[in-house]
Amino acid sequence: ILNVEQSPQSLHVQEGDSTNFTCSFPSSNFYALHWYRWETAKSPEALFVMTLNGDEKKKGRISATLNTKEGYSYLYIKGSQPEDSATYLCAFKGSQGNLIFGKGTKLSVKP
Amino acid sequence: GAVVSQHPSWVICKSGTSVKIECRSLDFQATTMFWYRQFPKQSLMLMATSNEGSKATYEQGVEKDKFLINHASLTLSTLTVTSAHPEDSSFYICSARDGQLEVYEQYFGPGTRLTVT
Repeated sequence: ILNVEQSPQSLHVQEGDSTNFTCSFPSSNFYALHWYRWETAKSPEALFVMTLNGDEKKKGRISATLNTKEGYSYLYIKGSQPEDSATYLCAFKGSQGNLIFGKGTKLSVKP
Repeated sequence: GAVVSQHPSWVICKSGTSVKIECRSLDFQATTMFWYRQFPKQSLMLMATSNEGSKATYEQGVEKDKFLINHASLTLSTLTVTSAHPEDSSFYICSARDGQLEVYEQYFGPGTRLTVT
C-alpha cells in the first residue's frame, strides 16, 4: 500500500511568520509530486508539479523542494499572510499509478 | 483557464434514493476525469477514472453498480450514487485532465457534500 504522509496535521502561525511543512512519499517508482492549496468551499488550486530530484520551485512567497531519493518534499511560506490560510495537500504520482494524496496540513494565519 | 465546476455543491437525500453529481470542464476538453471521495479527517481517495466515451475504471473496493459514472462528452462527467445509504455520506470531488495540456496536471472542482439521512 502506497502511503503519503503530511506533517504537521495543522499549524497556527502569526502574520509575518515563515513556516514550512513536510510531505513524505514512497521513494521508488517516482513520477511526480504535486502540491495543492485548498481553501474552504473552493477548488484545490495547483501550486507546483515537481518531477526531478533536487527540484526547487517558487511562486511568490511560496516555494517547494523535492528529494525523490529519500522521499520527501518541503513547502515553505515566507512571511505568512491571513490569505495563506488553507489546507495544503501533497499528492504522489507513481510511474504506473494515479495521484495518491496525503491528508493535508491545515494552516491558520492570525492577523 | 482550466476551470472545473461541480453541481450541486451540497445535497441532502433520503436513504434509498439516488443522487446525481455533475462535473464540467468549462474552458477545456477533459479527455480524462477522476472522481474522489473524502471522509472526515481522511485523504482524498480515488474512486474511479473515466475517459470520454468509454467505461470508467473503478478502484478496488468501489462498487461500480452503486457509483455509476458517465463521461459522455469531453466537458461533462456525472457520478450517480444509487440507493444511497447513510454510510455514503461524504465529500465527493472530481478532477479533469486535458490531453492537450501538460500531462501532469489535474484541475479540480469545488466538491459536493452529500448527506444521506
